[in-house]
Amino acid sequence: DAGITQSPRHKVTETGTPVTLRCHQTENHRYMYWYRQDPGHGLRLIHYSYGVKDTDKGEVSDGYSVSRSKTEDFLLTLESATSSQTSVYFCAISDPDRGRSNEQFFGPGTRLTVL
Amino acid sequence: DAKTTQPPSMDCAEGRAANLPCNHSTISGNEYVYWYRQIHSQGPQYIIHGLKNNETNEMASLIITEDRKSSTLILPHATLRDTAVYYCIVREMNRDDKIIFGKGTRLHILP
Repeated sequence: DAGITQSPRHKVTETGTPVTLRCHQTENHRYMYWYRQDPGHGLRLIHYSYGVKDTDKGEVSDGYSVSRSKTEDFLLTLESATSSQTSVYFCAISDPDRGRSNEQFFGPGTRLTVL
Repeated sequence: DAKTTQPPSMDCAEGRAANLPCNHSTISGNEYVYWYRQIHSQGPQYIIHGLKNNETNEMASLIITEDRKSSTLILPHATLRDTAVYYCIVREMNRDDKIIFGKGTRLHILP
């Protein structure tokens, strides 16, 4: 494993409540990403970060915000969770200055259920 | 939208070579072809990548056509553990934004 952890791994919450998912890396990679995965849609990028305090939107960013106050942590926040945000969330890291392949390394995922 | 087209599913007999196709007819000159796979309930895992030459590593081989509009991932001796969804992605090597995963190919290895 590439030293990526996600917490919590499973969460059940109610509509309208705030939720924060955490991604933590020990690899000192510059880029970090949040994806969601739903049946029939594959992996879709929510937000990504290219450095501390530098973030940008992905293809499905509505309803989500992110923060990166230090290299190793990337937080995904659902300000007011909705049932449509029930999904499996994956964090990933990469760094174009490392190695030849510049591949993404993925975390184990967080399964979020919004009732 | 994904820049690649893959069949939604394929079957392969255990021990045989699995050949997974990918079309990327709009690929630009500085874009690489990357392959990932996702075993059930796990995060995706990098397999291989290439620009225009064929590539081989311990997991697989990647064959890219001369016009670079399509490629094939080859798993030379498929095992049951290779059952997964395989994603073909095109991206620039040093552009880490806007990486788009399509729906991939679900590969079933049959005993």
